[in-house]
Amino acid sequence: DTGVSQNPRHKITKRGQNVTFRCDPISEHNRLYWYRQTLGQGPEFLTYFQNEAQLEKSRLLSDRFSAERPKGSFSTLEIQRTEQGDSAMYLCASSLAWGVGSPLHFGNGTRLTVT
Amino acid sequence: EDKVVQSPLSLVVHEGDTVTLNCSYEVTNFRSLLWYKQEKKAPTFLFMLTSSGIEKKSGRLSSILDKKELFSILNITATQTGDSAVYLCAVDLRDDKIIFGKGTRLHILP
Repeated sequence: DTGVSQNPRHKITKRGQNVTFRCDPISEHNRLYWYRQTLGQGPEFLTYFQNEAQLEKSRLLSDRFSAERPKGSFSTLEIQRTEQGDSAMYLCASSLAWGVGSPLHFGNGTRLTVT
Repeated sequence: EDKVVQSPLSLVVHEGDTVTLNCSYEVTNFRSLLWYKQEKKAPTFLFMLTSSGIEKKSGRLSSILDKKELFSILNITATQTGDSAVYLCAVDLRDDKIIFGKGTRLHILP
């Protein structure tokens, strides 16, 4: 168990550029989640996957955000035409879904700064 | 809309004090309630609660759930400076979507 890995750790980009983040979950985990967290706030749900299927995408997310999980392994989160309001910590988490639910295991996040 | 509300949002106490953190929720399909501790980066799991009235304990930390009144508390006794962190409450909805509250920022003074 090597834990959830996220890359890059930090990303600084100019407004209008596209960025892509990667998350490698714990290998046997079938659920993968993306959250966004800003200073002083709890993690805000973005989207989640069961294997390769995207189950839900937050209504708060604009069409500039897209996530994929090809083959049910790693996942990518892409933000197109970044805006300053996208600056945040993007957290990935995974879990092994079974009957009564299971806790999330988080990665250390990717901190995005849009200038 | 499903929501999780934590109180207080911040708390400052002296080392050795006991603290109680609160979490209330309004959701359509409850499965479980989870507590996490977040220091610098990744939240780390503390407790998962599924049944009312059954206390979960880990050292100086304990938590209990009331499914009738829709709330949970997290207690920390004999606080230490290492307990300083943001404590997050989350609810696992029946479709495994997990939503978080804003957290309680706890600061322990030496």
